[in-house]
Amino acid sequence: GENVEQHPSTLSVQEGDSAVIKCTYSDSASNYFPWYKQELGKGPQLIIDIRSNVGEKKDQRIAVTLNKTAKHFSLHITETQPEDSAVYFCAASKNYGQNFVFGPGTRLSVLP
Amino acid sequence: DSGVTQTPKHLITATGQRVTLRCSPRSGDLSVYWYQQSLDQGLQFLIQYYNGEERAKGNILERFSAQQFPDLHSELNLSSLELGDSALYFCASSLGETQYFGPGTRLLVL
Repeated sequence: GENVEQHPSTLSVQEGDSAVIKCTYSDSASNYFPWYKQELGKGPQLIIDIRSNVGEKKDQRIAVTLNKTAKHFSLHITETQPEDSAVYFCAASKNYGQNFVFGPGTRLSVLP
Repeated sequence: DSGVTQTPKHLITATGQRVTLRCSPRSGDLSVYWYQQSLDQGLQFLIQYYNGEERAKGNILERFSAQQFPDLHSELNLSSLELGDSALYFCASSLGETQYFGPGTRLLVL
């Protein structure tokens, strides 16, 4: 089955710097890759997603890139702010979300 | 607010007991997913229902069961509870690919 790895497990950056989180997946049939942000005590919240027919997607300070050949995708957060501090999860799925597999998460700390 | 609701928010119970967690999906969503998140752990997929039928099963213990009702709300039943079952339990719903998560139920087994 699908296996999703995520690195790093923890990341600390200074406010205003950029943060990059990388994920790799094993199943070449996966075609949907969402990113979720989970704040302490809350449920995961979708922040951006990308489908396999697209190489890059941006939404304000957040972007995701996908390399299907290498089977990896990355989350880029620019101009980080303290409120970006949270745990971020990547996921991979196919067949319209039937086989959703999450990465282990990255704890991002943005230091003021 | 994702539109997914879960009750109760917190639940404290004893080992050996049985509890029921409830989830109401977003309006129009047909799929409901259940996940378990232990302390500082990732999201472990338990089970998915689609329009009342079981669609996919993950690492769900035999002591756990779920169902989705005709009004599309879902319940996760946990029985013969053990200390290790203490965790956050999330429900998510979707119509297509994107899953939207509820706020979770925090279960503490003493």
